[in-house]
Amino acid sequence: NAGVTQTPKFQVLKTGQSMTLQCAQDMNHNSMYWYRQDPGMGLRLIYYSASEGTTDKGEVPNGYNVSRLNKREFSLRLESAAPSQTSVYFCASSEEGKGTYEQYFGPGTRLTVT
Amino acid sequence: GEDVEQSLFLSVREGDSSVINCTYTDSSSTYLYWYKQEPGAGLQLLTYIFSNMDMKQDQRLTVLLNKKDKHLSLRIADTQTGDSAIYFCAESLSGYSTLTFGKGTMLLVSP
Repeated sequence: NAGVTQTPKFQVLKTGQSMTLQCAQDMNHNSMYWYRQDPGMGLRLIYYSASEGTTDKGEVPNGYNVSRLNKREFSLRLESAAPSQTSVYFCASSEEGKGTYEQYFGPGTRLTVT
Repeated sequence: GEDVEQSLFLSVREGDSSVINCTYTDSSSTYLYWYKQEPGAGLQLLTYIFSNMDMKQDQRLTVLLNKKDKHLSLRIADTQTGDSAIYFCAESLSGYSTLTFGKGTMLLVSP
């Protein structure tokens, strides 16, 4: 049981390049989330998916797109990377129905845009 | 909108107790959480408390909730160097699966 996995662990992009961050969970959770973490800013929600086939914007969605490929996988795409998107990106998942919305986090992707 | 605030830094000596504080603004919070982030890692849930409780104890961890003042604290007894990490407070609201996180408190434990 791997929990939440993310690939890649590290990535360097040039301004204008595109890339997709991958996330998968093996806990059969309905909800999945993408956050970014910047120094002094805490975690900010980019997008989330409450169930397969649905996605919703979070606090900072501009410059990103997401795809909920199936129940297990939720990807984050940067179409044209900008230096302001240099950050650590975390994927998380949670189980509906328990009421606590306890989220389980992946190890993160460290992205640098030059 | 909701807002969660924490002090940014706390330094203690090994063996002392640590108290990390958090305030939140939304009175409709249903659960409040404490997460721990070690260097280079993701967040790990430490504990959570339902909003109709005022205290929860789990081994060395004690969570106190003052709903009237919208104040949450995490006490770590007998703090160890392995407790050095960033601690995040978070809240969830009734009917919503998203969490709102504070900016995190860096705890530094010195020998």
